[in-house]
Amino acid sequence: QTVVTQEPSLTVSPGGTVTLTCASSTGAVTSGYYPNWFQQKPGQAPRALIYSTSNKHSWTPARFSGSLLGGKAALTLSGVQPEDEAEYYCLLYYGGAYVVFGGGTKLTVL
Amino acid sequence: EVQLVESGGGLVQPGGSLKLSCAASGFTFSGSAMHWVRQASGKGLEWVGRIRSKANSYATAYAASVKGRFTISRDDSKNTAYLQMNSLKTEDTAVYYCTPLVNWGQGTLVTVSS
Repeated sequence: QTVVTQEPSLTVSPGGTVTLTCASSTGAVTSGYYPNWFQQKPGQAPRALIYSTSNKHSWTPARFSGSLLGGKAALTLSGVQPEDEAEYYCLLYYGGAYVVFGGGTKLTVL
Repeated sequence: EVQLVESGGGLVQPGGSLKLSCAASGFTFSGSAMHWVRQASGKGLEWVGRIRSKANSYATAYAASVKGRFTISRDDSKNTAYLQMNSLKTEDTAVYYCTPLVNWGQGTLVTVSS
């Protein structure tokens, strides 16, 4: 069974920078996994932030960026705002056959 | 404005069946792959399955946890996707979302309990 692993929790200070990562049990994550990133706040539906590694949706704040880093997908928040406190999920596509979400990273802004 | 409205959730006994619907508007539904994603209370997102567009032969794929029990279908004339759930288990209890993985609805709650 394929497992996608994210940091369970991270803490960042307002105005700081933080990087969340997304690893696959099958090996290095490449652009061929089309990494997606989603944000979810308590009581709300998820919101898409990043698709295909680094592409932003029209509503994605400029401070969010996606990349590949050391064999993982990565989401970097630069100049973190208090409203960025949320759960973040990555998603990987496996050869068009199936899709797997990571377990989520709870980001605390403190 | 993109809208996704899931419906059909409710309380069902273990072993029972339920069919969820997802009415979509505001985007080219017929050209979009549609996914079903669920979230148990206090837990993370779990991909359930997806159906591709007509151009991709309406191909379906499912998570191992639901394969053989759940079936995804779509009616492009109604801009609606469906999730037929059979042989339901208590661990299927969750909020179910349909999504093209861009926009999301508010989901519908399925509770499997005796």
